[in-house]
Amino acid sequence: AQSVTQLGSHVSVSEGALVLLRCNYSSSVPPYLFWYVQYPNQGLQLLLKYTSAATLVKGINGFEAEFKKSETSFHLTKPSAHMSDAAEYFCAVSLDTGRRALTFGSGTRLQVQP
Amino acid sequence: DVKVTQSSRYLVKRTGEKVFLECVQDMDHENMFWYRQDPGLGLRLIYFSYDVKMKEKGDIPEGYSVSREKKERFSLILESASTNQTSMYLCASRLGPLGANVLTFGAGSRLTVL
Repeated sequence: AQSVTQLGSHVSVSEGALVLLRCNYSSSVPPYLFWYVQYPNQGLQLLLKYTSAATLVKGINGFEAEFKKSETSFHLTKPSAHMSDAAEYFCAVSLDTGRRALTFGSGTRLQVQP
Repeated sequence: DVKVTQSSRYLVKRTGEKVFLECVQDMDHENMFWYRQDPGLGLRLIYFSYDVKMKEKGDIPEGYSVSREKKERFSLILESASTNQTSMYLCASRLGPLGANVLTFGAGSRLTVL
């Protein structure tokens, strides 16, 4: 079975500072990994996904994530935070086996201070 | 773009009432899902459907049932609503069962049970 752990339920950064949101996964087979973002009162939208093509994945809004198999990690980064980045971020893992879709982490709420 | 529409954004119901949450997708996706979102718990899978009239239990199916009579529509039913079912409910769809396929989410239905 697969699982995801997001370290830090709340992260606060200053505008212009580096954003780092941590995600570690557990999977017995090569996984697919996703980051989703949820703005207030909205559903989730895809930021980026890893499907084994390249370990460094670029997403929307300047975000990127690096798949590190040795560390079982898929941390999300953005060089310079913007006020509009304030949202909740979810890491998720999926496998080809079985019909189930994603297993989500518990989420990290990002605050951006002016 | 795939659109997933949840017909009710906000609902207030009384304990014991029967509640229907409707979800419609417009891109001929095979798979549909219902998640429940609670603070600190992330998204938890209630039920999913991999084809018309086919369904499987997720991680927290107790107190819920689902119906998928047509490919585009997936309904979540609370037979007798209870206060512990107060939550945000998110519907999602996916083209097919491959792990790399992206989930597309609706905007969510926030249910309050009094």
